[in-house]
Amino acid sequence: DAGITQSPRHKVTETGTPVTLRCHQTENHRYMYWYRQDPGHGLRLIHYSYGVKDTDKGEVSDGYSVSRSKTEDFLLTLESATSSQTSVYFCAISVDPGYEQYFGPGTRLTVT
Amino acid sequence: GENVEQHPSTLSVQEGDSAVIKCTYSDSASNYFPWYKQELGKRPQLIIDIRSNVGEKKDQRIAVTLNKTAKHFSLHITETQPEDSAVYFCAASKKGSGNTPLVFGKGTRLSVIA
Repeated sequence: DAGITQSPRHKVTETGTPVTLRCHQTENHRYMYWYRQDPGHGLRLIHYSYGVKDTDKGEVSDGYSVSRSKTEDFLLTLESATSSQTSVYFCAISVDPGYEQYFGPGTRLTVT
Repeated sequence: GENVEQHPSTLSVQEGDSAVIKCTYSDSASNYFPWYKQELGKRPQLIIDIRSNVGEKKDQRIAVTLNKTAKHFSLHITETQPEDSAVYFCAASKKGSGNTPLVFGKGTRLSVIA
């Protein structure tokens, strides 16, 4: 597996609390992505980054923000978690959108 | 923007039979088409990919075919085995066309029955 880690791997939180998920890579890839995966919906892109401080929205960005202050780290923040954000979150990296994406191990988030 | 449709959503085959999963895409400028396999509880992993300058690519029991005119591509798995049971995702993107990310299909759950 490519050098991608996600933390935490599991988290249970209450509605209304802020949550930050971290993705860390050791591959020096320019592009980083956050997806959520829910049954019946496949992989849905939340936000992505094409460089330090360069980010853009995906198809399901409402309620999420991201930051990338270093090449190796991409943070996903839920400002005020809701039950609809209960999901498995995957980070991915690539050298270019037209090349393979490598996925992290995922974070299972439960919002009660 | 790009839209990728994947069919079927579920597929059951007998061990040893072949399985075919089909995807269509909307953007004729797309030129990179990967397939990912996701086993239960695991991360998606690339199993094969094809670029638009190639019509077919094989890797042991798996193959991908691309029809640019019809804008569809397919994954073929021959001599299926129980370990092929997983969710498979197709995707499409454009290399060298800015930052536009991969667009994924919604996935196909393949069950290989022993």
